[in-house]
Amino acid sequence: RKEVEQDPGPFNVPEGATVAFNCTYSNSASQSFFWYRQDCRKEPKLLMSVYSSGNEDGRFTAQLNRASQYISLLIRDSKLSDSATYLCVVPHTGRRALTFGSGTRLQVQP
Amino acid sequence: SQTIHQWPATLVQPVGSPLSLECTVEGTSNPNLYWYRQAAGRGLQLLFYSVGIGQISSEVPQNLSASRPQDRQFILSSKKLLLSDSGFYLCAWTTGGNSPLHFGNGTRLTVT
Repeated sequence: RKEVEQDPGPFNVPEGATVAFNCTYSNSASQSFFWYRQDCRKEPKLLMSVYSSGNEDGRFTAQLNRASQYISLLIRDSKLSDSATYLCVVPHTGRRALTFGSGTRLQVQP
Repeated sequence: SQTIHQWPATLVQPVGSPLSLECTVEGTSNPNLYWYRQAAGRGLQLLFYSVGIGQISSEVPQNLSASRPQDRQFILSSKKLLLSDSGFYLCAWTTGGNSPLHFGNGTRLTVT
């Protein structure tokens, strides 16, 4: 099983829609998780940190399910500017580093 | 506040030429430093990380090397570039523990 797996998408949704992405991870000892956003040809930028069961920031909600080893990202009231690739990030097994998922591409359409 | 500087932003180099990419962090001390690479349309691959001066951990066997001559300086090098070295190189830092990574703007390398 890969350390972290994401559905690559793309998810094509209309403006105003609610969309959710899931990410599964293999290291059951992981304590911290992150969602990053990456725009085309740009560096990834931190969107949310998840240290316990979940986190909410405006239209964005991240949830952690330790029993099933997955984290999710929910985006409500999608905006055109939300179009990007969303990267799920978990601690690297045995290393002081983070492992990035391959990303889920979101395209919000007018 | 902390900032990370990475340069150059773009680079076109012929096969067989050397490479040196530099990254510096300001506003923090003893950061963990990282080099990642992203091939076109792919995910981020961890290349090297460092938890202190002179301490380098290599993740992938290749013709690249990294050095950390100063606390907040991280350098990625190659003696002879290959076509397969093309990609988007990202330097990042963290304070360690459960902290997230913060990335520089990246260097887009094209080997011709």
